[in-house]
Amino acid sequence: EPEVTQTPSHQVTQMGQEVILRCVPISNHLYFYWYRQILGQKVEFLVSFYNNEISEKSEIFDDQFSVERPDGSNFTLKIRSTKLEDSAMYFCASSNRVMPGNTIYFGEGSWLTVV
Amino acid sequence: AQKITQTQPGMFVQEKEAVTLDCTYDTSDQSYGLFWYKQPSSGEMIFLIYQGSYDEQNATEGRYSLNFQKARKSANLVISASQLGDSAMYFCAMRTQAGTALIFGKGTTLSVSS
Repeated sequence: EPEVTQTPSHQVTQMGQEVILRCVPISNHLYFYWYRQILGQKVEFLVSFYNNEISEKSEIFDDQFSVERPDGSNFTLKIRSTKLEDSAMYFCASSNRVMPGNTIYFGEGSWLTVV
Repeated sequence: AQKITQTQPGMFVQEKEAVTLDCTYDTSDQSYGLFWYKQPSSGEMIFLIYQGSYDEQNATEGRYSLNFQKARKSANLVISASQLGDSAMYFCAMRTQAGTALIFGKGTTLSVSS
């Protein structure tokens, strides 16, 4: 069964460092997303991406965040200068279409710990 | 504004019993989808079941069924014959015609005991 894959599964970084989280969405999917989940809290939407541009973003997705699809398969989230409060699980997700009924499939997540 | 509410922080059930996890939602959109995801302790998000706003029948997937009451704006997940492996966090989520993002509730932790 096709799946969304994410790397790394866990990363520890120093405050102020740049981090890049990588994702390979399901191959025929066109819509890509990043979500985050601070430990013990609900899953929060960060950004959606379609046709090589951001289609929607939340208030959390400020100037320190950026996304990119550098080639035909990878989808990356960059955090420019990490803060302690960026420590969270980051989920990449993808879907085939944007209709309400199209399931969004999630990767296994990347744990980011900022120290 | 769109919102998902899960009022049960934790639920406890014995193996083989049925359990209902509550979810209410708020949206002014006529077209929307409701989803349930399972998050075990390992952290991944596993899609369980989907219900569309125009679906007349309640969705079912194996031991999972969705009790959809549109007038009450509720979409409760029913797990029949609970198993130990069902112990996890369960999230209700919604996606509307107007937006591409899934909006999640705060989740319910289900603990199944033998």
